[in-house]
Amino acid sequence: ETGVTQTPRHLVMGMTNKKSLKCEQHLGHNAMYWYKQSAKKPLELMFVYSLEERVENNSVPSRFSPECPNSSHLFLHLHTLQPEDSALYLCASSQEMAGVDNEQFFGPGTRLTVL
Amino acid sequence: GQNIDQPTEMTATEGAIVQINCTYQTSGFNGLFWYQQHAGEAPTFLSYNVLDGLEEKGRFSSFLSRSKGYSYLLLKELQMKDSASYLCAVRDPGNTDKLIFGTGTRLQVFP
Repeated sequence: ETGVTQTPRHLVMGMTNKKSLKCEQHLGHNAMYWYKQSAKKPLELMFVYSLEERVENNSVPSRFSPECPNSSHLFLHLHTLQPEDSALYLCASSQEMAGVDNEQFFGPGTRLTVL
Repeated sequence: GQNIDQPTEMTATEGAIVQINCTYQTSGFNGLFWYQQHAGEAPTFLSYNVLDGLEEKGRFSSFLSRSKGYSYLLLKELQMKDSASYLCAVRDPGNTDKLIFGTGTRLQVFP
C-alpha cells in the first residue's frame, strides 16, 4: 500500500449507531487531517494532528471524536450523527503541519450516509 | 473574514484551452494550491504558487498575483480525462498554516 488509504469507502448508518472511520498513511508524514466535503461547499477542516497531538479542533460537534494512536493512523469515531452529517470525509497527511513541507496528500475518502 | 471564490461550473471542448479563476481574501497568505478531484476520488496536487507569476507544468499552468488576491489555472489541449473538479486553496500563516479551500470548479470537457 502506498499513499493515504481510508476505510471503509462507503458507510451507511442510523442516527443511533456508533462507527469509526480509519485512515492510514504510508508516507512517513508527521501531520494528519480530517476534512468534511459536502455538496456545493468548500472542504471544511475538522481536525489536525501533528506528531500525534491534536493541534486543531475546528468547532466540530462532540459526536465526532478523533483519535491518533500513532503518526501513521488516524481514526474518526462517530456516534449519534444527524442526517446533515452525510458527506464525504477525507483524510490527508503532510510532512509537517506548517511551512513549505505541508503539501497535503489526500485519501480517497469515506462516503457517509446517515439515515 | 476568509473567502475563496471560484466559478461553480465550466464547460469546454476537447483540444481547447480553459482558464479557471480564483480570488481570495484571507488574513494571511503563504502560498496557493490547485488540486484536481475526479468524482469519487481523492484530491490530487496540481500546482503551488507562492511568488507572483506563472508556473508551467506540462499542459497545466498556474498564475498568481498577490497584490490582486488572484490566481488562475490554465489547462491547454484539453482531454476528456480533464473533466473533474478543480479546487483552489490558500495557505494561511495566521491560522496555523492551514489550507482554506474554495468550493471547487466542476469542469466538463465535451468531445
